[in-house]
Amino acid sequence: EAQVTQNPRYLITVTGKKLTVTCSQNMNHEYMSWYRQDPGLGLRQIYYSMNVEVTDKGDVPEGYKVSRKEKRNFPLILESPSPNQTSLYFCASRTGRLNTEAFFGQGTRLTVV
Amino acid sequence: AQSVTQLDSQVPVFEEAPVELRCNYSSSVSVYLFWYVQYPNQGLQLLLKYLSGSTLVESINGFEAEFNKSQTSFHLRKPSVHISDTAEYFCAVTSNDYKLSFGAGTTVTVRA
Repeated sequence: EAQVTQNPRYLITVTGKKLTVTCSQNMNHEYMSWYRQDPGLGLRQIYYSMNVEVTDKGDVPEGYKVSRKEKRNFPLILESPSPNQTSLYFCASRTGRLNTEAFFGQGTRLTVV
Repeated sequence: AQSVTQLDSQVPVFEEAPVELRCNYSSSVSVYLFWYVQYPNQGLQLLLKYLSGSTLVESINGFEAEFNKSQTSFHLRKPSVHISDTAEYFCAVTSNDYKLSFGAGTTVTVRA
């Protein structure tokens, strides 16, 4: 089954404690991205990757890091989480063609206290 | 860069009534347009998409959207909603920079 898998689904952590949210896709997609969803703001792109070892900032990259060492994986790293990073996070993947839709993971609800 | 405006944040509607969700976009180049649906506690799923050709696109569960280039709109409609259509709906646009930009979302609540 074609899917994007995120882990964990839920996470509560304390300010300053480094964490990683994993994302994996099994569709051999070139393009992967991370979004955060906040009420009234829709989804805002954090980082994206056009292919292995190619990453770039989205609209709200501050406080986040990513890496793309393998095509299927695109982890999101919060080196020093803060309460304003409490949000719902989604990983998405799509092919390298413009006229294709994105596939989304189930989301990770992060709470930073 | 492109942007998306969803004109209604909340749309309450009675079961079997019609619904329209409005979406306007801004872009200086050709675009591809999408509607995604998010059911409670789930990820986003594609509802329908406009890539080229006919300006009216349909989904398998009765939704349709019309691409209007002159008005830069991609409104979503359903002639008769069900309780199960209660969800949040997102309009999204992409163009030649590959970025998928989303609107703020419209929450549809269907009441019996």
